[in-house]
Amino acid sequence: SAVISQKPSRDICQRGTSLTIQCQVDSQVTMMFWYRQQPGQSLTLIATANQGSEATYESGFVIDKFPISRPNLTFSTLTVSNMSPEDSSIYLCSVEGYKGTDTQYFGPGTRLTVL
Amino acid sequence: GENVEQHPSTLSVQEGDSAVIKCTYSDSASNYFPWYKQELGKGPQLIIDIRSNVGEKKDQRIAVTLNKTAKHFSLHITETQPEDSAVYFCAASKNYGQNFVFGPGTRLSVLP
Repeated sequence: SAVISQKPSRDICQRGTSLTIQCQVDSQVTMMFWYRQQPGQSLTLIATANQGSEATYESGFVIDKFPISRPNLTFSTLTVSNMSPEDSSIYLCSVEGYKGTDTQYFGPGTRLTVL
Repeated sequence: GENVEQHPSTLSVQEGDSAVIKCTYSDSASNYFPWYKQELGKGPQLIIDIRSNVGEKKDQRIAVTLNKTAKHFSLHITETQPEDSAVYFCAASKNYGQNFVFGPGTRLSVLP
């Protein structure tokens, strides 16, 4: 299966600041996604990271709050901007199209706490 | 849009017993149904998946069954072990790996 790393693995941030999360996969993939998982809850898709173009956001998520980059086929970043305690969550990246498969694989997640 | 329900929300079984988790979906166009296992502090890990042209799939102690008519699919774990304890999520997709809608999850505890 895909080997996916996320940095940082966890962070504690102050209200009003921004944090950029990195996602790196060990081989080129077709699709990269960003999810949010609030404590004890299921996964909610934030956006699809598109290589070379603007990300596609799901309802309730906007680019100003969650800017996303995907400069190549193995790397993406998600920024959580102007953070508030409500942004405390686990942020997960996932990939699809790894070595020709259509399975979606997840990274280990980034646990964010906003004070 | 698609809606995925999952039951039960929590499940406790004795080691060696079987565990069954059921999901229902609303969109008859959904054609791909993966199951993920999430251990504490880790990302979800794919454990098995099934496509709409198959009724059942098995991988060692894990099996998934799909009833397209009734729009439900189930995860079966036999001979459970303590390391099976985790949260399990089902999902449904119309595009084989994209646009997943996840169920709310089932916390499975296997008691030694």
